Amino acid sequence: EAQVTQNPRYLITVTGKKLTVTCSQNMNHEYMSWYRQDPGLGLRQIYYSMNVEVTDKGDVPEGYKVSRKEKRNFPLILESPSPNQTSLYFCASSLDRGTDTQYFGPGTRLTVL
Amino acid sequence: AQTVTQSQPEMSVQEAETVTLSCTYDTSENNYYLFWYKQPPSRQMILVIRQEAYKQQNATENRFSVNFQKAAKSFSLKISDSQLGDTAMYFCAFMKHIPGNQFYFGTGTSLTVIP
Repeated sequence: EAQVTQNPRYLITVTGKKLTVTCSQNMNHEYMSWYRQDPGLGLRQIYYSMNVEVTDKGDVPEGYKVSRKEKRNFPLILESPSPNQTSLYFCASSLDRGTDTQYFGPGTRLTVL
Repeated sequence: AQTVTQSQPEMSVQEAETVTLSCTYDTSENNYYLFWYKQPPSRQMILVIRQEAYKQQNATENRFSVNFQKAAKSFSLKISDSQLGDTAMYFCAFMKHIPGNQFYFGTGTSLTVIP
């Protein structure tokens, strides 16, 4: 089944404890992206990647890191999480640089205490 | 910077009726894409429809159609014959090409279809 998977789905952590949210797609998509969704703010793009080893900042990259060493994986790293990073996070992928349908993962609910 | 505005936080429509969701955007780009995404209570994001800015013809997908007014920077979504399964949050999104393919989303419109 073609899909985007994210792990974990739910995470409660404490300020300053490094964490990684994994994202993997099995559709051989070139474009991958991370978003955060907050009430009243819609979705905001954190980072995106046009292809392997190519990553770019989105609208809200501060406090986040990403890597794209393999085509299928695009992990989101929070080196020192803070409470303002409490949010719902979505990973997405698409075949052709985002112009095609973006397939979204199921979301990761992160709470930073 | 690009901005996407959805001025209707909440809307409701009777089943089988037609409803239009508004979206305006601000950009200096000439080439871009516009999208409508649906997020039902399951939180899964689902593409409803997309429009390439260089195409004058409005996109249509079954009961969903758009009214794309490039000069006015307006991109409204019309849902015909509304169904209970259309109840969801709807997000308008803008994607620019340069320097990279970056997305901007509106704040969403919560649509409720009333039986």
